[in-house]
Amino acid sequence: QSALTQPASVSGSPGQSITISCTGTSSDVGNYNLVSWYQQHPGKAPKLMIYEGSKRPSGVSNRFSGSKSGNTASLTISGLQAEDEADYYCCSFAGSSTWVFGGGTKLTVL
Amino acid sequence: EVQLVESGGGLVQPGGSLRLSCAASGFTFSRYWLHWVRQAPGKGLVWVSSINSDGRTTGYADSVKGRFTISRDNAKNTLYLQMNSLRAEDTAVYYCARDYSNSMDVWGQGTTVTVSS
Repeated sequence: QSALTQPASVSGSPGQSITISCTGTSSDVGNYNLVSWYQQHPGKAPKLMIYEGSKRPSGVSNRFSGSKSGNTASLTISGLQAEDEADYYCCSFAGSSTWVFGGGTKLTVL
Repeated sequence: EVQLVESGGGLVQPGGSLRLSCAASGFTFSRYWLHWVRQAPGKGLVWVSSINSDGRTTGYADSVKGRFTISRDNAKNTLYLQMNSLRAEDTAVYYCARDYSNSMDVWGQGTTVTVSS
């Protein structure tokens, strides 16, 4: 149950696009199309942004998109806005009723 | 309104026990898997435990296996986490979350557990 690997921080200017990677193994990310992504603002509970790798829950902006290649999943945010500044976490189902999160990525909007 | 409300956090000495509760409302509780996720101060999210809809299937992170027990009472719409043999490293905000297609779509506000002498 090792944590998924995310970059500690990413940054971008308003209007730009950024991508956050999430690297796991063939036991989790690579074995299931069940990666989810969460946004967390300081002092708040996490919010689901992407599930099943690329699906958006109702109400989540289409500026957020997800993808996967092999053992690495990615979250792309296009048209960056100030309110996108937050921490982002990936999570993958890992089999046998277990899940694993990434270490988190701090997004700074310059 | 779909809602999860955690309670039961507090200050406990190392080696002590605590039981967290998560009261659900606004949805058919008995149909969903549920999770506990924790976040140590200034750190990231860590999955702790999960339980299926009828309570017969559970999963635990290695770090809590054998010390924590997840359970649910579908008649009371409540999820529990019994935490024994607590350690300083268990200090965290504990969130309960509803499962949706192996993701977590509804989260509570969290309850704080502090393990310290």
